[in-house]
Amino acid sequence: EIVLTQSPGTLSLSPGERATLSCWASHSVTSNYVAWYQQRPRQAPRLLIYGASSRATGIPDRFSGSGSGTDFTLTISRLEPEDFAVYYCQHYGSSSWTFGQGTKVEIK
Amino acid sequence: EVQLLESGGALVQPGGSLRLSCAASGFTFSSSAMSWVRQTPGKGLEWVSAISADGAATYYADSVKGRFTISRDNSKSTLCLQMSSLRAEDTAVYYCAKVLFGAGYFPYWGQGTLVTVSS
Repeated sequence: EIVLTQSPGTLSLSPGERATLSCWASHSVTSNYVAWYQQRPRQAPRLLIYGASSRATGIPDRFSGSGSGTDFTLTISRLEPEDFAVYYCQHYGSSSWTFGQGTKVEIK
Repeated sequence: EVQLLESGGALVQPGGSLRLSCAASGFTFSSSAMSWVRQTPGKGLEWVSAISADGAATYYADSVKGRFTISRDNSKSTLCLQMSSLRAEDTAVYYCAKVLFGAGYFPYWGQGTLVTVSS
């Protein structure tokens, strides 16, 4: 079973700054099956990135994903007020899905 | 517009049973694989179960295997999760989500329904 570990647990930044979120897999995974989600308070998760680097429909281009193997990254180039939220990475394999524990991006 | 509306969440005693439903609209339900994902209070996300578009294939997380049953009624565009032998650790918000098996991600989510297992 793949375990996803996200780092850091909390990221304190100011609007306009760049955010870099990491997701490490316990074993090498197929990047096609890595996704990222944003969850704002009291809302359902929202798909941001799929296939490690493809933006979902309607997602601003300040969000980008990269990585391969065991190391994946979500970058928010310039934080907007609505971007302060929790972010989860997710992997699919062998008919099961795994989520990371999340990174909270908070206002500094 | 894709809409997924969960219902059926409630307070239930340990060992009890509960049935969750998800009414889908805005897409061709009978052509779409579906899934349940839960989120424990203040914690992260955990995949629970998934079902193929025709209902022939079902998948479960080890934590719920043998206790939960996923099903669907394509004539009513409805997804269900029958939960039995409930435990305190099953307490969570349960989300219904459309899933793309071939790509492995969840493009659409409902707003969730809260299940509380407590005496």
